[in-house]
Amino acid sequence: GIQVEQSPPDLILQEGANSTLRCNFSDSVNNLQWFHQNPWGQLINLFYIPSGTKQNGRLSATTVATERYSLLYISSSQTTDSGVYFCAVDSVKTSYDKVIFGPGTSLSVIP
Amino acid sequence: EPEVTQTPSHQVTQMGQEVILRCVPISNHLYFYWYRQILGQKVEFLVSFYNNEISEKSEIFDDQFSVERPDGSNFTLKIRSTKLEDSAMYFCASSDIGTSNTEAFFGQGTRLTVV
Repeated sequence: GIQVEQSPPDLILQEGANSTLRCNFSDSVNNLQWFHQNPWGQLINLFYIPSGTKQNGRLSATTVATERYSLLYISSSQTTDSGVYFCAVDSVKTSYDKVIFGPGTSLSVIP
Repeated sequence: EPEVTQTPSHQVTQMGQEVILRCVPISNHLYFYWYRQILGQKVEFLVSFYNNEISEKSEIFDDQFSVERPDGSNFTLKIRSTKLEDSAMYFCASSDIGTSNTEAFFGQGTRLTVV
């Protein structure tokens, strides 16, 4: 099946700093989503972004489907941004009609 | 905004007991999913459900598990004879035309603790 990798696995930021999280995938995808898992375990939809660029407040995401990667940018980080960030993909060839999650990036924002 | 709701948020059960986790998907959605996340690990696909039948299941989804859509709104996951290693966060998700074409919406999860 499709392989999804995320980097870095762990990240510690000072409040106010910017960061870039990366998601690489091994096959062409029809769907790519970014999620934030908060400290209570809830999965929050951030972006549905199979290609192109989107922005939502301090967060933005870019997917370059032809090169098989996606980036999540967090600007002016806040302590509430802490948690685990997952990307999840759907590939018609290898995971039809379900999303497969990457291992996540664990982010800690310290005051 | 429509959302997927799951109940209960936390369930504690004794080893060997059966549990039913409940989900109400978004009302016009046609594809339903269950995922599992063991503490500290990644989110794993369990099963997808479409047109009143299982469309795909992972190797984790063995005879201990079953899913049902008992009425027009609920989607349930039953775990029979629970084991300690079934302790995990279970997420329900739904999608209107399948995740090959659009996004999946996830519920807030049910934390299952088997003691």
